[in-house]
Amino acid sequence: GAGVSQSPSNKVTEKGKDVELRCDPISGHTALYWYRQSLGQGLEFLIYFQGNSAPDKSGLPSDRFSAERTGGSVSTLTIQRTQQEDSAVYLCASSLFGEGAITEAFFGQGTRLTVV
Amino acid sequence: KNQVEQSPQSLIILEGKNCTLQCNYTVSPFSNLRWYKQDTGRGPVSLTIMTFSENTKSNGRYTATLDADTKQSSLHITASQLSDSASYICVVSAEAGNNRKLIWGLGTSLAVNP
Repeated sequence: GAGVSQSPSNKVTEKGKDVELRCDPISGHTALYWYRQSLGQGLEFLIYFQGNSAPDKSGLPSDRFSAERTGGSVSTLTIQRTQQEDSAVYLCASSLFGEGAITEAFFGQGTRLTVV
Repeated sequence: KNQVEQSPQSLIILEGKNCTLQCNYTVSPFSNLRWYKQDTGRGPVSLTIMTFSENTKSNGRYTATLDADTKQSSLHITASQLSDSASYICVVSAEAGNNRKLIWGLGTSLAVNP
């Protein structure tokens, strides 16, 4: 597609359930980022994939969060045993090069996760 | 500690007026600075990217300035339109060896009223 695609756009889940969020980056983009944004808050970095390098997982808030990127393209963010504080908009972005390079990051529309 | 602070936190202006948003950062070593616009319920969209050597960069009615000495940046919006109502986020890239980080500000929420 022409842009970054995320699915689902909205997800309501019960506390304690696992959820999977999907991100389809722009074709050919080597870098992929996951962020989350709680209501009224700024963006919070979660994880960063760049090519075949080991991902930067320094932003993952707990071991309930994990992410993978298969074949250097599609990425899945998994949250296990969801808690109410996990409720947020989860944003995915991709760029042609890695963080810090002079290039634009394109964001998807996000997945709004609500844990009830 | 790498930090990006933006001011004001929120701003309300009348359509057609100009405004300036501020970004102060304590990020080292500095690589580049970006301004993003985020409409409610949507992902951020890049407005400008500025390197150490650039002082001013324009994108339509948006003009960003950068003073690397004082570690300050501003985003000036000219002749505001209702569609400018959004959150404007300053992002600074820190680079040390092979480690690169994007440090995000909390944004300035701008409301343009008719």
